[in-house]
Amino acid sequence: EVQLVESGGGLVQPGGSLRLSCAGSGFTFSNSHMDWVRQAPGKGLEWIGRSRNKHEGHATEHAASLADRFTISRDDSKNSLYLQMNSLATEDTAVYYCARDNHGNFSWDYWGQGTLVTVSS
Amino acid sequence: QSALTQPASVSGSPGQSITISCTGTSSDVGSYNFVSWYQHLPGRAPKLIIYNVNERPSGVSNRFSGSKSGNTASLTISGLQADDEADYFCCSFVRSNPFWIFGGGTKLTVL
Repeated sequence: EVQLVESGGGLVQPGGSLRLSCAGSGFTFSNSHMDWVRQAPGKGLEWIGRSRNKHEGHATEHAASLADRFTISRDDSKNSLYLQMNSLATEDTAVYYCARDNHGNFSWDYWGQGTLVTVSS
Repeated sequence: QSALTQPASVSGSPGQSITISCTGTSSDVGSYNFVSWYQHLPGRAPKLIIYNVNERPSGVSNRFSGSKSGNTASLTISGLQADDEADYFCCSFVRSNPFWIFGGGTKLTVL
């Protein structure tokens, strides 16, 4: 069974940093493109970025609006995806999800339950 | 890129059919057949129910169907059941960054 489990969320002060993790199981993690998506309270979802699979050299793409503060990485030996978030602001308060690319079909076939990040003083 | 437009809420009685619209522009929904739909219960992982406008993943009920006309995609749920009550959101690929844009979500209430 495919499972994605996010962790690392919590309360952080404005200007602070946080690193989220996403642990995958039940599939060959290294073969999968993996994405981060977030949802702020009362708002729609927002794509954060992607880490491509080993066959594409783990290349990353980030939403232009977040690329100066957010960095995606992965460790296939640990079946894990990461999101490093710096210079956090109150508007970064959201539930952060990791999701698996649906085999190149421009969608995501599995998502985690999300981890809540609250940026507040 | 602006978000896709969905109705905030829809409702229907058990056994009825409902349709949720997802309106974009000629730069996103209108240009690509890469619209997907997700069912989301609060606190749960979103679930893919439609991809590539009208394809269903294995295991998803055929009561769920998708379509597109011009800049508007639609999700139809037939034979409504109580456990269909959830939030539904659409997503479209776009060629330029941020590459994916989402609808604001629609809350389905089964009366």
